[in-house]
Amino acid sequence: GESVGLHLPTLSVQEGDNSIINCAYSNSASDYFIWYKQESGKGPQFIIDIRSNMDKRQGQRVTVLLNKTVKHLSLQIAATQPGDSAVYFCAENVSFKAAGNKLTFGGGTRVLVKP
Amino acid sequence: DADVTQTPRNRITKTGKRIMLECSQTKGHDRMYWYRQDPGLGLRLIYYSFDVKDINKGEISDGYSVSRQAQAKFSLSLESAIPNQTALYFCATSDLGRPGGANVLTFGAGSRLTVL
Repeated sequence: GESVGLHLPTLSVQEGDNSIINCAYSNSASDYFIWYKQESGKGPQFIIDIRSNMDKRQGQRVTVLLNKTVKHLSLQIAATQPGDSAVYFCAENVSFKAAGNKLTFGGGTRVLVKP
Repeated sequence: DADVTQTPRNRITKTGKRIMLECSQTKGHDRMYWYRQDPGLGLRLIYYSFDVKDINKGEISDGYSVSRQAQAKFSLSLESAIPNQTALYFCATSDLGRPGGANVLTFGAGSRLTVL
């Protein structure tokens, strides 16, 4: 889930199991939601995005679910692998006609995959 | 070679010193950004630029300045560094996005700055 404190929430997952990472967002005007993965010593990398008029989108081993009623977003990783160990960030995007867009990041969730 | 290159990767400096973090990109993107990352706080936007003549403040621009020297180069300066500017700094780029699509950022590997 989200964190506004100094410590990242951590999800420990057994290799091969499915992972579910949750995110609460605040702005009902957000038109896109994006998930990023940040491995140790690297910058965040784009995983998948979902438009606000969708409730589900699937990628390779990942699925994002969007529940606008409760302003909740989740990222599901199927058959979690050691390479999935990272910090995962959700971001909400609000588009403005003249001024581009604004991207707001959540605090991140650390995923640790146990062998 | 990385699409977005940041230098230096690590820097330790003293309070009051001027520091410049540099970013260059080979993506050909018009938009460039500087973010700051602190533990548990996600990424916060410092400054962004939509083209060479466009500079905009983000949510935490105080104490920072930027220069967009060319489409491919965007530098961040701390005129007089202070300890609470100790953080991991990321440069990012994006294009105008696909029609109706999200603005997806490409990040550099980060510059870790420690101010003593």
